[in-house]
Amino acid sequence: QSVLTQPPSLSAAPGQKVTIFCSGSSSNIGTFYVSWYRQFPGTVPQLLIHENYKRASGIPDRFSASKSATSATLGITGLQTGDEADYYCGTWDDSLSTLVFGGGTKLIVL
Amino acid sequence: EVQLVESGGGLVQPGGSLTLSCVASGFSLSGHWMHWVRQVPGQGLVWVARINIDGSIRTHADPVKGRFSISRDNAKNTLYLQMNSLRVEDTAVYHCVRDCPGSCLDLWGQGLLVTVSA
Repeated sequence: QSVLTQPPSLSAAPGQKVTIFCSGSSSNIGTFYVSWYRQFPGTVPQLLIHENYKRASGIPDRFSASKSATSATLGITGLQTGDEADYYCGTWDDSLSTLVFGGGTKLIVL
Repeated sequence: EVQLVESGGGLVQPGGSLTLSCVASGFSLSGHWMHWVRQVPGQGLVWVARINIDGSIRTHADPVKGRFSISRDNAKNTLYLQMNSLRVEDTAVYHCVRDCPGSCLDLWGQGLLVTVSA
């Protein structure tokens, strides 16, 4: 059971837009910056978004993110089959004194 | 090339010990907090431990507290994870990861498989 809650999977058609939600609490998302990571099958996770909405180096503007209260969202527009991956949100949790992640969302583009 | 290269993984029996090493190249480890994150194949990311720049602040996740110890040698540009009293449930791929501002993780090592099994 992850501290941050994400939908296990989402699917959308090529060209469409998808939004991935990440729900937390006042001790994590409500207080600290949120990051988003992408992991293609068999590869290492890659930083997509840091400090709630800032794109990491080389990440196209099809990717956007925001935070409101104790939730965060990652949006991807103009979906491509190459966007199929697992997406994770992460932040610090003050009550647990640990870095916490969501359980991951498997994005399927069909 | 900026990268993190881990070594030291493998098969170990329950109750055994293992030390993971992570050498940074292309940048100085001394300018960064560092983390270990593990992932059971097919499952999600789980944070294990973090260490500050000079090693004076070390934090470990509850499941490994008292058994694992993160450390660093900035002169050798190397991060370590000493793992004792290993359990079957510690089986995972372990990643050495560089911290970035806002508790993000911006550079990941390729990962080391640690298998705890009799």
